[in-house]
Amino acid sequence: GEDVEQSLFLSVREGDSSVINCTYTDSSSTYLYWYKQEPGAGLQLLTYIFSNMDMKQDQRLTVLLNKKDKHLSLRIADTQTGDSAIYFCALPHQAGTALIFGKGTTLSVSS
Amino acid sequence: DSGVTQTPKHLITATGQRVTLRCSPRSGDLSVYWYQQSLDQGLQFLIQYYNGEERAKGNILERFSAQQFPDLHSELNLSSLELGDSALYFCASSVLTGGFTDTQYFGPGTRLTVL
Repeated sequence: GEDVEQSLFLSVREGDSSVINCTYTDSSSTYLYWYKQEPGAGLQLLTYIFSNMDMKQDQRLTVLLNKKDKHLSLRIADTQTGDSAIYFCALPHQAGTALIFGKGTTLSVSS
Repeated sequence: DSGVTQTPKHLITATGQRVTLRCSPRSGDLSVYWYQQSLDQGLQFLIQYYNGEERAKGNILERFSAQQFPDLHSELNLSSLELGDSALYFCASSVLTGGFTDTQYFGPGTRLTVL
């Protein structure tokens, strides 16, 4: 079945760049998503990338997609303490309805 | 604020009881999805409704059911509750039927605690 894998924890210092990685098995997805969950809050759509793109930049966020290796990454430049959260990689199920989520990467930013 | 609302925010109940979780989608969205987030299983898709009709089913238990009403709000009913049903339940909505290009926006969730 489809699977989405993420590392569970990442710890960085304020001002550094953070890179959160995700690998997946299903290659039919046309959109791949990053969601952010702050403590006690819901899921916020952070950004997404279309599968015919290699890179998408949105202010401090850069998404890189390597379709050959089925690898997606989210880079956060100049990481701030407010970026501390759980980041989820997600892509649509083969049938195109449900989202399949990774376990989430907890980003901890220290000052 | 995603525009998706969920009530209640918190729910505490006992084993064997039945509860109803409510979701209002973003204005104009026809699809509603329910997800369960638990520590051991992560985020799992339960069920999707599109314009009042069931569209897709995921790992939803037979004790759970859902419906979408003519005004497009949705309710998730959980019955014969067990300790293991304690989780955060999210509702999401999207414009169309759900597909590779149909972005889902999530509500703040309902935290269910079964004692």
